[in-house]
Amino acid sequence: DQQVKQNSPSLSVQEGRISILNCDYTNSMFDYFLWYKKYPAEGPTFLISISSIKDKNEDGRFTVFLNKSAKHLSLHIVPSQPGDSAVYFCAAWRGGSEKLVFGKGTKLTVNP
Amino acid sequence: DTAVSQTPKYLVTQMGNDKSIKCEQNLGHDTMYWYKQDSKKFLKIMFSYNNKELIINETVPNRFSPKSPDKAHLNLHINSLELGDSAVYFCASSRGTVSYNEQFFGPGTRLTVL
Repeated sequence: DQQVKQNSPSLSVQEGRISILNCDYTNSMFDYFLWYKKYPAEGPTFLISISSIKDKNEDGRFTVFLNKSAKHLSLHIVPSQPGDSAVYFCAAWRGGSEKLVFGKGTKLTVNP
Repeated sequence: DTAVSQTPKYLVTQMGNDKSIKCEQNLGHDTMYWYKQDSKKFLKIMFSYNNKELIINETVPNRFSPKSPDKAHLNLHINSLELGDSAVYFCASSRGTVSYNEQFFGPGTRLTVL
């Protein structure tokens, strides 16, 4: 039962352009959504989060957009840099469950 | 200064063996977690401890037993290893008990069961 889905296993963009990573979810009861970034042979690191009561959160080059009616969120990276090349995981949290539910990840490659 | 450390980084063992993975965090966090990333790349919670008390225990075979000697350590012991246990196991920690707080992950332990 995949509650959090990242349907694109990979994405390739040119340096300086925008990267858009997408995430869909099925459970309308999720309260928070988070993005984690993972480099090879390392653990995931937290990137940015958004509460379900908001539709946008921005932190430097990273912006997360939430569309609750579509049960969809996206992570925008502008401008993309080669160091952004990593696997990006979308995760969701519901109050009372006390656990994060992760998607399968999208591998982003930013080409110089 | 490693925030969340795991040992060993790689573990290759035979079916039926018993093995342990150790995790330590020096962040002063109250909550620690074990996750499993299987071959399909899903990252799934296995256990969560807050101040040495078990708060999440997902549907995991009872061959897996977490042990928290103190709030800075959460070890994972696995009995009678099976082929399907091959995966990368991540330890994580966070402040407080609410898991949407930023979690800090260790580098992972790649377990291969032959």
